[in-house]
Amino acid sequence: GQSLEQPSEVTAVEGAIVQINCTYQTSGFYGLSWYQQHDGGAPTFLSYNGLDGLEETGRFSSFLSRSDSYGYLLLQELQMKDSASYFCASKGGSQGNLIFGKGTKLSVKP
Amino acid sequence: ETGVTQSPTHLIKTRGQQVTLRCSSQSGHNTVSWYQQALGQGPQFIFQYYREEENGRGNFPPRFSGLQFPNYSSELNVNALELDDSALYLCASSLKGAGNEQFFGPGTRLTVL
Repeated sequence: GQSLEQPSEVTAVEGAIVQINCTYQTSGFYGLSWYQQHDGGAPTFLSYNGLDGLEETGRFSSFLSRSDSYGYLLLQELQMKDSASYFCASKGGSQGNLIFGKGTKLSVKP
Repeated sequence: ETGVTQSPTHLIKTRGQQVTLRCSSQSGHNTVSWYQQALGQGPQFIFQYYREEENGRGNFPPRFSGLQFPNYSSELNVNALELDDSALYLCASSLKGAGNEQFFGPGTRLTVL
């Protein structure tokens, strides 16, 4: 089976940096994706790591270490609008369905 | 480029009834996946359709069924509704083989009373 574990909640202040960790157990590995979901909204794709290392997209970066079955999402210069749930996800197989973690609810305080 | 759309946005049904949810995929995307998201949880994979055929299924009973049409739009049907079926139902489209980046619709909030 496959499972992804991430913290349930994180709180940070505006302008700060926050890191959301994700550890996974998969029978086969097809990369790690990150999605953002605001309350009442649709999940939106943030980033993908297929290989070890850091991927940077603006204020957001994502890191993967396949040897440690671990990844993280780094959010810099936090803004109030970053308050949302963040999900790590991995493909469930060659078919392409995603297996999601339970999500980390990020609250950004003034 | 048109994004993923779903209808209806909200739906209230009673136990034992049947429901059909609809999804139009993003232009050019040939693969549609359906997910169920309970409150405070991550989306759970129901099934995926590619070229009008089911291409993978999660741990959901047969009363969850679907269709994909030639224009890649899709339906999710749920029979004999149960209280636990109350959830947000999300449709996501992608290109075959590019499943790491899926484009989600806004979802249908189903409440079963």
